[in-house]
Amino acid sequence: GAVVSQHPSWVICKSGTSVKIECRSLDFQATTMFWYRQFPKQSLMLMATSNEGSKATYEQGVEKDKFLINHASLTLSTLTVTSAHPEDSSFYICSAEDRPHSYEQYFGPGTRLTVT
Amino acid sequence: GEDVEQSLFLSVREGDSSVINCTYTDSSSTYLYWYKQEPGAGLQLLTYIFSNMDMKQDQRLTVLLNKKDKHLSLRIADTQTGDSAIYFCAEKGSSNTGKLIFGQGTTLQVKP
Repeated sequence: GAVVSQHPSWVICKSGTSVKIECRSLDFQATTMFWYRQFPKQSLMLMATSNEGSKATYEQGVEKDKFLINHASLTLSTLTVTSAHPEDSSFYICSAEDRPHSYEQYFGPGTRLTVT
Repeated sequence: GEDVEQSLFLSVREGDSSVINCTYTDSSSTYLYWYKQEPGAGLQLLTYIFSNMDMKQDQRLTVLLNKKDKHLSLRIADTQTGDSAIYFCAEKGSSNTGKLIFGQGTTLQVKP
């Protein structure tokens, strides 16, 4: 089956530093990748949608300059949290579609970010 | 706007059936989903239903869709302790964005 990986699985960083999270589709080419954020005991909130080679589409209220998304290839998207603060601590999950308008998104295992 | 609502908690005894309910507002939803999330893990797609279907059964899972009332349910037969997790209902609208809207998640507790 289609597999999506994320790296790292967890990261602790100091306030003010930047952190990069990778999302890879291991056995398929991802036409579209999605980045979600999940707070403890809460739902997933879509942050942005990215297509290979084009700029990400951010959801309302998500700061583009703070959450930089790069979709450099059909198998890799990265999310960089710039100048991280403790309120950015969260569980970040990516997902990917293997074809446009597919019924299924394949989810990564998530990355736990803790900012101290 | 689009919204998906779920009850937050359900407790059942092992061997009983569990029914998790979900309501949504987008009448143009194309697909509706049930995902399972175990602690500290990503989401596992359990099942999905296309919006022109009323029911779908897959082993112990039965999904019922009432499109008129915009109500979706997931029934788990013979619930096991391994079914304890958070269950998310999600819907995909008719837009071309592929965007999924998730409910808040229902925590299912299965007591032995």
